[in-house]
Amino acid sequence: DAGITQSPRHKVTETGTPVTLRCHQTENHRYMYWYRQDPGHGLRLIHYSYGVKDTDKGEVSDGYSVSRSKTEDFLLTLESATSSQTSVYFCALGALMGEQYFGPGTRLTVT
Amino acid sequence: GESVGLHLPTLSVQEGDNSIINCAYSNSASDYFIWYKQESGKGPQFIIDIRSNMDKRQGQRVTVLLNKTVKHLSLQIAATQPGDSAVYFCAEKEKGTYKSIFGTGTRLKVLA
Repeated sequence: DAGITQSPRHKVTETGTPVTLRCHQTENHRYMYWYRQDPGHGLRLIHYSYGVKDTDKGEVSDGYSVSRSKTEDFLLTLESATSSQTSVYFCALGALMGEQYFGPGTRLTVT
Repeated sequence: GESVGLHLPTLSVQEGDNSIINCAYSNSASDYFIWYKQESGKGPQFIIDIRSNMDKRQGQRVTVLLNKTVKHLSLQIAATQPGDSAVYFCAEKEKGTYKSIFGTGTRLKVLA
């Protein structure tokens, strides 16, 4: 979907290094979400934002932090990457009724 | 490569037949339910939704049924096509929140 992009799309990093993933939208949505997707677990919410500088934790927030300094960008940071954070990460926008629109994903490998 | 799930329940359907994908939800306070489709290597894509005060909603070739008594949701796809092959997730949203809980998904395989 052209309205939401994620960068990078693929990343390989070493254990212990910091990593930042970026989600960018052009749709002016208030709500933004970060999920991780792993086999057998489906989509799990890491953090979400309900406005600029307004964020809250999801069910798997340990080891992750987020920031939203402007409407368009929602950043996910792994302060010190671990192998358990190897996953596919999706950003999503929340629409008025509650449905969400997802980005293309970032495949992160921590070696 | 696909990383959605290695052990997902799989539904195999002949091309042209109708498909029914089922989902059980857990929260009686959920007021909104959504179906998503995820193709290999892509993000989930919104298909259709239904509010808790409805029993049925129809879209183009898709119908969602909601049975609140048994907390069951189903997605029916008419005249299934090869392009329908994907993983399908249901999601529920609790009233008063903007967070959704996703099911683990069902893989639909369309046989030629």
